[in-house]
Amino acid sequence: EVQLVESGGGVVPPGRSLTLSCTSSGFVFADYAMSWVRQAPGKGLEWVGFVRSEVYGGTTEYAASVRGRFTVSRDDSKGVAYLQMNSLKADDTAVYFCTRDQDFWGQGTLVTVSS
Amino acid sequence: DVVMSQSPRSLSVTLGQPASISCRTSQGLVHRNGNTYLNWFHQRPGQSPRRLIFQVSHRDSGVPDRFSAGGSGTDFTLKISRVEADDIGVYYCMQGTHWPITFGQGTRLEIK
Repeated sequence: EVQLVESGGGVVPPGRSLTLSCTSSGFVFADYAMSWVRQAPGKGLEWVGFVRSEVYGGTTEYAASVRGRFTVSRDDSKGVAYLQMNSLKADDTAVYFCTRDQDFWGQGTLVTVSS
Repeated sequence: DVVMSQSPRSLSVTLGQPASISCRTSQGLVHRNGNTYLNWFHQRPGQSPRRLIFQVSHRDSGVPDRFSAGGSGTDFTLKISRVEADDIGVYYCMQGTHWPITFGQGTRLEIK
């Protein structure tokens, strides 16, 4: 059974950093691109970033709202995807979901940026 | 960025009746490889989104055949032939052809 479990969320003051993890099981992690999608409270879905599989160079893409502040990476040996978030703003407050190429989603982890 | 415009924004449907959601895009979604990366998702309250449809019209595994979808160019549609109680929540279209990936604003379906 495919499973994705996000962790690392919490409350963080503006300007600080936080790293989220997405731990996978039930499939060959290295074969898939991984994305992060967020959802602010009561709002819709916003795509954040994407990392290709190493077969396609492991390269990344980002939404303009996070480019330069957020970094998506992966460790295929551990089956984990990461979202490193720097210079956090109040507008980054959201539930962050990881997704395997949009077909399977984790349960999400809440990040609250507040002083 | 590709703008995804869903309509209606909310839908109130009697059990057993059909429902239809439109998604219009600001530009065509045919990728240079010939595929059209238009997906539909359903999000129940308090849950993660679930993909229902990929590449315009292909149902994901386990999705009931009450759900169908189609379209081309810049006009796409998700249809539910007979709404059931389990169908409540928000439906999103999403395009993955052009960077950045973009979602529609969502359509909330409730039971009348």
